[in-house]
Amino acid sequence: DQQVKQNSPSLSVQEGRISILNCDYTNSMFDYFLWYKKYPAEGPTFLISISSIKDKNEDGRFTVFLNKSAKHLSLHIVPSQPGDSAVYFCAASEGNNDMRFGAGTRLTVKP
Amino acid sequence: NAGVMQNPRHLVRRRGQEARLRCSPMKGHSHVYWYRQLPEEGLKFMVYLQKENIIDESGMPKERFSAEFPKEGPSILRIQQVVRGDSAAYFCASSPGEGRIIQYFGAGTRLSVL
Repeated sequence: DQQVKQNSPSLSVQEGRISILNCDYTNSMFDYFLWYKKYPAEGPTFLISISSIKDKNEDGRFTVFLNKSAKHLSLHIVPSQPGDSAVYFCAASEGNNDMRFGAGTRLTVKP
Repeated sequence: NAGVMQNPRHLVRRRGQEARLRCSPMKGHSHVYWYRQLPEEGLKFMVYLQKENIIDESGMPKERFSAEFPKEGPSILRIQQVVRGDSAAYFCASSPGEGRIIQYFGAGTRLSVL
C-alpha cells in the first residue's frame, strides 16, 4: 500500500527560479510530515517538517505547505541553487514514530 | 562522528549466503528503523525496533529476514539465503523517541547479490 505518493519522478528548474515538489497522502491519520533530501551514495538528510496543526512552515529558502483537506503537501525552494540538485523524499507519520516515504522526486537545478 | 553509523558500506554476497548489516544509532537514540531502497524506487519501511524489542515489523518479508537491537551493541539486519532480488541499498535511521519523530539516517549499506 502506497500511503505517500510523489507522482513526479523528476523535476528540472533553472537556477534562481522556484522549485515546487508535490506529495499526496491517503492516510488521514498522519499528523506529521517531513521532507528529506538525498544525494547519491549518502543517506537521506532531514530538511524541513510540518505538524498537521499548521499549514505552512518556513526555513530560509525552504517552505512546506500542508493542505489537509486535499491530503497534499508541497515543498517550495526559492531561489533554487545547483547544490539543491538531489532526490527529495516526502514522508509522513501517525505519531508512533513509524514513517512512510514517497518514491522520491529527482530535482535538477540547471545553472 | 556522532551520526548514525552503518557498516559495511558495500557488501557482496553469492546466492544462498547470509548477509549481516550493522547499524549503530546516534548517541542517546534508542529507536532504530530499517529501510530498503530498490533501484529506481523510494524508501520502503521494513522494521522499527527499540532496545531488545521489535515494535513494528510490518514491512519485513516473512521469510529469511530478521532484525534485532540488543541491549548492548548495534542493531543487526540479517538476511539468510540471499537471492538476487535482495540486492538493494539498506538504510538505518535512529531517533530519540518520546515524541521526537525526526529520524536521522546512516549512509546505507549497498548489498549486491551475485
